[in-house]
Amino acid sequence: AQSVTQLGSHVSVSEGALVLLRCNYSSSVPPYLFWYVQYPNQGLQLLLKYTSAATLVKGINGFEAEFKKSETSFHLTKPSAHMSDAAEYFCAVSESGGADGLTFGKGTHLIIQP
Amino acid sequence: SQTIHQWPATLVQPVGSPLSLECTVEGTSNPNLYWYRQAAGRGLQLLFYSVGIGQISSEVPQNLSASRPQDRQFILSSKKLLLSDSGFYLCAWIRYTEAFFGQGTRLTVV
Repeated sequence: AQSVTQLGSHVSVSEGALVLLRCNYSSSVPPYLFWYVQYPNQGLQLLLKYTSAATLVKGINGFEAEFKKSETSFHLTKPSAHMSDAAEYFCAVSESGGADGLTFGKGTHLIIQP
Repeated sequence: SQTIHQWPATLVQPVGSPLSLECTVEGTSNPNLYWYRQAAGRGLQLLFYSVGIGQISSEVPQNLSASRPQDRQFILSSKKLLLSDSGFYLCAWIRYTEAFFGQGTRLTVV
C-alpha cells in the first residue's frame, strides 16, 4: 500500500527566504510522485512530478523537488519565497499510475511573512 | 486538450436533503475518474473511483454514493446529507502520470 507523510501542517517563512516542504512516501513499487498547490476554494494545480526520469525535478513558479530513494523522500524547495506562494501544498504518490489513483498527504499550509 | 468540469462551485444544503454533484470530462475517452473530499486539517480523502461505465469502487463507507452513467460523467450523490458531509469535494481524472482536477465544490450542510 502507498502512503504519504508531510511533516508540518503549517510552515512559515519570510519573504525572500528558502522554502522547504517535506514529504516522505511509502510504496511497494517504484512510485510516481507529485506536488500540487491549492489556493483557497480552488482545485489543485500541478507544480511538478517525478516519473522515474531525472531525480531533480523542476516545476512551475520556481519550485523544484528531489527524489531520494534511499530516504524515501520528495521534498519541495524554492530558493526565494514570494508572497504569492502562500497556499496549501499537497504531496501525492501513485504506484500504478492508474486505477488506484493518487494518495495524498494531509497538506502543508505555507505562510509567507512580509 | 483534456478538461474537467465540476459543478456547482458552492452549495449550502440543509441536513437531511439530497445531494448531486456532477463531473464531466472532455478530450479523452474511457477515463479513470475519482471523487475526493477535503475536510479541514485532513487532507484529501479518496471517496470513490470508476474505471468505466457502471463500475464504482468505494474506498470508505459513508453516507455518499457515486454513479457513472456515461463514459465521461461521474456523479456524487447522497439521499440524506449529514453535517459531517460538509467539505470541499474534488473530481479528478487520473491516468498514469497525469492528473486533472475540477475546480471543486464547497459543500456546507446546515
